Amino acid sequence: DSGVTQTPKHLITATGQRVTLRCSPRSGDLSVYWYQQSLDQGLQFLIQYYNGEERAKGNILERFSAQQFPDLHSELNLSSLELGDSALYFCASSVGPAETQYFGPGTRLLVL
Amino acid sequence: DQQVKQNSPSLSVQEGRISILNCDYTNSMFDYFLWYKKYPAEGPTFLISISSIKDKNEDGRFTVFLNKSAKHLSLHIVPSQPGDSAVYFCAAKSSGNTPLVFGKGTRLSVIA
Repeated sequence: DSGVTQTPKHLITATGQRVTLRCSPRSGDLSVYWYQQSLDQGLQFLIQYYNGEERAKGNILERFSAQQFPDLHSELNLSSLELGDSALYFCASSVGPAETQYFGPGTRLLVL
Repeated sequence: DQQVKQNSPSLSVQEGRISILNCDYTNSMFDYFLWYKKYPAEGPTFLISISSIKDKNEDGRFTVFLNKSAKHLSLHIVPSQPGDSAVYFCAAKSSGNTPLVFGKGTRLSVIA
């Protein structure tokens, strides 16, 4: 158990819908990262927050957005969902922006 | 363009023997490398890391070797155990607040 929690574990929705994925980092970690893993792909970095502020952006679509709240939990919002958005979404956290990242169990999103 | 490549999608090894997982990278700015292990339905688990100032790092049965001139690193597991069966991801980053770049993973099967 890494100490990073993610909810929900599974999510099934329809195209065009909007969903919110939630992540609680390890106690004491200020940095939160979001990754997407599609079939047969490595983990693709989406976005990073540090202590409430956006720190780095990767291959995140404009339909996706995220935020980190004062209690340091983070949410990833995915809107106007398409079939291709079906993937595993992982959250990771670290003490600081350049430290080793610890991953949550992931949310499996299926868009039908 | 893949900056981190794991060219073997899968590897099968007998219990007790050595497992060698390979990873190549193209970005000469990468100076920190990590290996993560992933079981089905779980998030990646941090295994071992190495900084570019070293060429070897050991932790129990796991050793990572870094060859900077060849832009190559490898993970050795000795002796391999059935519980080591998982997908192994190589990841790299450059210094400072930069994202991790992952390979696509190698599925290791340790046969009893």
